[in-house]
Amino acid sequence: EVRVMESGGGSVQPGRSLRLSCAASGFTFDDYGMHWVRQPPGRGLEWVSSISWESDKKIYADSVRGRFTISRDNAKNSLYLQMNSLRAEDTALYYCAKDVGTGYNFYGLDVWGQGTTVTVSS
Amino acid sequence: SYELTQPPSLSVSPGQTASITCSGDKLGDNYVCWYHQKPGQSPVMVVFQSNKRPPGIPERFAGSKSGNTATLTISGARASDEGDYFCQAWDSKTGVFGGGTKLTVL
Repeated sequence: EVRVMESGGGSVQPGRSLRLSCAASGFTFDDYGMHWVRQPPGRGLEWVSSISWESDKKIYADSVRGRFTISRDNAKNSLYLQMNSLRAEDTALYYCAKDVGTGYNFYGLDVWGQGTTVTVSS
Repeated sequence: SYELTQPPSLSVSPGQTASITCSGDKLGDNYVCWYHQKPGQSPVMVVFQSNKRPPGIPERFAGSKSGNTATLTISGARASDEGDYFCQAWDSKTGVFGGGTKLTVL
């Protein structure tokens, strides 16, 4: 079964850091791009960041660029999101998702995890 | 910034056709994906590359695009089709989701 599972969420104070992880299984991880998407409570989906199969393309939403860093370890079938200088508006359910297509470009998010909750509050 | 615009809500009767639109200035140059999210659940992809269906998605779900507007058409809408639908696209530098359309079937 193709699966992705997020971990690492929690409650932090503004200005602090948090690292999310996503464990992938059931597919050849290093063939696919990967993504992070978040959903604030009661609101819609917000794309956060995407990384290509060999980490040679990384793109970020304007709202997180310079604060968040996406990375992956293909040997460990894992995706990460390092979140620094967290703000109250970063509070959301964070989803990890697999791309539907292989290679350098991005095509769509076909496998989603259940999400991990990040709460930023003093 | 790249923005996609969807109607906030749509209501149809069971068996009718639901058409959800998504518009954006750069949409003509990019592929569009559509996702269905039910309350308390993770999103599910129903269309990618503007008009392709992932395995397991019924033929009732069809995507199309004309110029800067993409449309998700759900034929013979069912109660199980209720929920939020989001369009999504990338350009070379960023990704974006539309604000979502809440579909009610009753």
